[in-house]
Amino acid sequence: AQSVAQPEDQVNVAEGNPLTVKCTYSVSGNPYLFWYVQYPNRGLQFLLKYITGDNLVKGSYGFEAEFNKSQTSFHLKKPSALVSDSALYFCAVRDMWGTGGFKTIFGAGTRPFVKA
Amino acid sequence: DVKVTQSSRYLVKRTGEKVFLECVQDMDHENMFWYRQDPGLGLRLIYFSYDVKMKEKGDIPEGYSVSREKKERFSLILESASTNQTSMYLCASSSSGGSLSGANVLTFGAGSRLTVL
Repeated sequence: AQSVAQPEDQVNVAEGNPLTVKCTYSVSGNPYLFWYVQYPNRGLQFLLKYITGDNLVKGSYGFEAEFNKSQTSFHLKKPSALVSDSALYFCAVRDMWGTGGFKTIFGAGTRPFVKA
Repeated sequence: DVKVTQSSRYLVKRTGEKVFLECVQDMDHENMFWYRQDPGLGLRLIYFSYDVKMKEKGDIPEGYSVSREKKERFSLILESASTNQTSMYLCASSSSGGSLSGANVLTFGAGSRLTVL
């Protein structure tokens, strides 16, 4: 079965410093990987995805993620963190269903605390 | 611009009550999902559906059932609510379509926070 792991519940970073949120995955076959973000009192939003092609994927709000097949990782990054980036981030992987549908498996989430 | 609508943002129910959570999407998506979100556990899949009248169990289906009579509507049912079902419930939908842009990306509703007393 497909799975994702986010090894950190939270990370602390100063505003203006690089932000990294870690994710490792376990899949059979080629992975479809995603990042979603949940801002306070708002619904979950899609940030970016990797399906194929360039290992560096760019998404919303200045975020990007690097797919590393040898390390089975898909870390989320932002070069310069903002206080407003303090939210809950989820890594996710698609798991195909036999009849052509699919389900998405989520990690436990990581919450960066960005200090001004 | 709301595309996935959950009928109730907050519900308070008593143990043993039957609870219905409704979800409607207007994007003509084939796939619909129900998750519950609990602190430290992330999102756990309860049930999903890839077509009308089709349903599949997710990772934690016990105590829940679902109904999908129309493509746009996916209902989650708690037959007899228990206190351990107090949680945030999230509905989502997605198109299929391989690697096409937008395919496989989940659009979520605002969530329904259920408290069972």
